[in-house]
Amino acid sequence: QQPVQSPQAVILREGEDAVINCSSSKALYSVHWYRQKHGEAPVFLMILLKGGEQKGHDKISASFNEKKQQSSLYLTASQLSYSGTYFCGTEATGNQFYFGTGTSLTVIP
Amino acid sequence: DVKVTQSSRYLVKRTGEKVFLECVQDMDHENMFWYRQDPGLGLRLIYFSYDVKMKEKGDIPEGYSVSREKKERFSLILESASTNQTSMYLCASSTLNTEAFFGQGTRLTVV
Repeated sequence: QQPVQSPQAVILREGEDAVINCSSSKALYSVHWYRQKHGEAPVFLMILLKGGEQKGHDKISASFNEKKQQSSLYLTASQLSYSGTYFCGTEATGNQFYFGTGTSLTVIP
Repeated sequence: DVKVTQSSRYLVKRTGEKVFLECVQDMDHENMFWYRQDPGLGLRLIYFSYDVKMKEKGDIPEGYSVSREKKERFSLILESASTNQTSMYLCASSTLNTEAFFGQGTRLTVV
C-alpha cells in the first residue's frame, strides 16, 4: 500500500526545475508532501485534499489528480536549500497514512 | 510549540531482548503512527492507531506490537529483537486532513 515515487534520485544545478511524482493504487482522500534533511525528522510542505486542486508556496507547488491517484511536486528555480529527500504521504480510507519510497534531491552550485 | 517526543534518540539492544519505544504527543491528536525508515525503502508503516486502545496493522507489522492506553502515548514493542530490526524508527501523530507531526526518531541497533 506504500505509494511509489519517481524518480528515486535527481541532481540539479541551482536554478533548474524538477518534478517528483507519486502514485498510489488506492483511492485517496489527500496527499501530503514532506522534505527530510539528513539526520532530521520530515518537515511538512503542503497538503492537497480530494478535489484536484493545485497548491503552492514560494517556488514549490503540487497537483493532485484524484482520478489517477497521482500527485506531482514541482520545484522551480531550485535553491541549495531544496536538497533533501522528498516524501509523499497518502491518506486513504480508515485513517491510514502511508509514505512513499522517497526521492533524493541534490542541488549543486 | 507542538511536540511529538520519542523517548530515546539512540538505543543498542541485544538479540532476543524485549524492546519498548515510547512516543508522546501533546496535540490531542487522534491518530498516531509508527514507521521504520531504511535506505531506499522510504518510510514504511508498521502500525497505526486512530483512538485509545485501537490499533491497525500497516505494511510490516511482523515482529512488532503496539499499545495505546492513553490518547497521548503510543508504544512500539519488539517482542524479541532481531538484527533485521536494526533501523530508524519514527513516530508521528495527526488529526484528519492535517499535516503529520514527527518525532526526532530513534535509531535502534540490535547486536
